Amino acid sequence: GQSLEQPSEVTAVEGAIVQINCTYQTSGFYGLSWYQQHDGGAPTFLSYNALDGLEETGRFSSFLSRSDSYGYLLLQELQMKDSASYFCAVERDSSYKLIFGSGTRLLVRP
Amino acid sequence: EAQVTQNPRYLITVTGKKLTVTCSQNMNHEYMSWYRQDPGLGLRQIYYSMNVEVTDKGDVPEGYKVSRKEKRNFPLILESPSPNQTSLYFCASTPQGFAPYGYTFGSGTRLTVV
Repeated sequence: GQSLEQPSEVTAVEGAIVQINCTYQTSGFYGLSWYQQHDGGAPTFLSYNALDGLEETGRFSSFLSRSDSYGYLLLQELQMKDSASYFCAVERDSSYKLIFGSGTRLLVRP
Repeated sequence: EAQVTQNPRYLITVTGKKLTVTCSQNMNHEYMSWYRQDPGLGLRQIYYSMNVEVTDKGDVPEGYKVSRKEKRNFPLILESPSPNQTSLYFCASTPQGFAPYGYTFGSGTRLTVV
């Protein structure tokens, strides 16, 4: 089977840095994606990692370690608008399926 | 504007009354998929389609049907809805089913079955 684990909630202060972790167990692995979802909204794509290492896109970075079946999303210079749910998702090889974790709710406080 | 359009946004129906949720994309994407979102469970895949006339089951297909007669449209059909299908539904598309391009999601359909 497959499973993804991420913390259910994280709280951080505006301007700070926060890391949201994701560990996965799947039969076959292509890559790890991250999506953001504001309350009442649609998930939006943030990043994708297929190889080990850090990918940076503006204030957001995503990291993958294939050997540890682990990744994280790093958000820097937090803003109030970053309060949202963040989902990691695993792309399993040859299945054309994207499997999502249960999401991490990030609350940014002033 | 590139987008995935779902209709309706909200729907309340009674048990057993057939319904269809429409999904249309204007990006010429080959791959389309339906997900349901329930509290604490994340997004679970119902069905997906690699291209016209090619569909396959996701992880929670029971009680649902889909069709892909045209590239842009991928309706979700509930032949006999039951209360356990009360959920938030999302349609998504991506070029060729490749996750690196990112999935584009519709705005969602909140379905209540009473």
